[in-house]
Amino acid sequence: QKEVEQNSGPLSVPEGAIASLNCTYSDRGSQSFFWYRQYSGKSPELIMFIYSNGDKEDGRFTAQLNKASQYVSLLIRDSQPSDSATYLCAFEGSQGNLIFGKGTKLSVKP
Amino acid sequence: KAGVTQTPRYLIKTRGQQVTLSCSPISGHRSVSWYQQTPGQGLQFLFEYFSETQRNKGNFPGRFSGRQFSNSRSEMNVSTLELGDSALYLCASSLDQVSYEQYFGPGTRLTVT
Repeated sequence: QKEVEQNSGPLSVPEGAIASLNCTYSDRGSQSFFWYRQYSGKSPELIMFIYSNGDKEDGRFTAQLNKASQYVSLLIRDSQPSDSATYLCAFEGSQGNLIFGKGTKLSVKP
Repeated sequence: KAGVTQTPRYLIKTRGQQVTLSCSPISGHRSVSWYQQTPGQGLQFLFEYFSETQRNKGNFPGRFSGRQFSNSRSEMNVSTLELGDSALYLCASSLDQVSYEQYFGPGTRLTVT
């Protein structure tokens, strides 16, 4: 069964620091990886996707993919209190769906 | 471009009743997926529709069903509600059946008493 593993946290970082969120996945054949941000009481919001090995940067966010080691990570530079949320990692399932991790709760302290 | 919309946003039902939830995808998106989110299980896949056809179904009982209309709008139905069906039901739309970039609606919070 395809699975995604994430540290549930909470991960606490000071404002301005780099937050590093990690995720491992079970299916070596997966090609598409996603990071969603979910604020408390809200629905998940797609913030990054990555398909190729290496880094992909978008503003303060960098997604890193290592298919050989089956992990994907999300770096948030210059963390802000507004980044405090649960971050969900997901990868493609075989049923046209996304398989989600349980999420890592990030808290950015002012 | 308007995002995914879901109605109703909140719903309270009693055990044994049935419920229908509605989802309108982003304009131009033709694939709609449904997920159930609970604190214990996280996001669980229910089913996916494309071109009015259910392409795939997750591991949920037959009480959970859905359909998609020709304008890509989708509905899901839960019959004979159980307390354990209390959850946030999320609809996500994507461009087509090969795109995994899914955009979620605000969800419907269902409480079963």
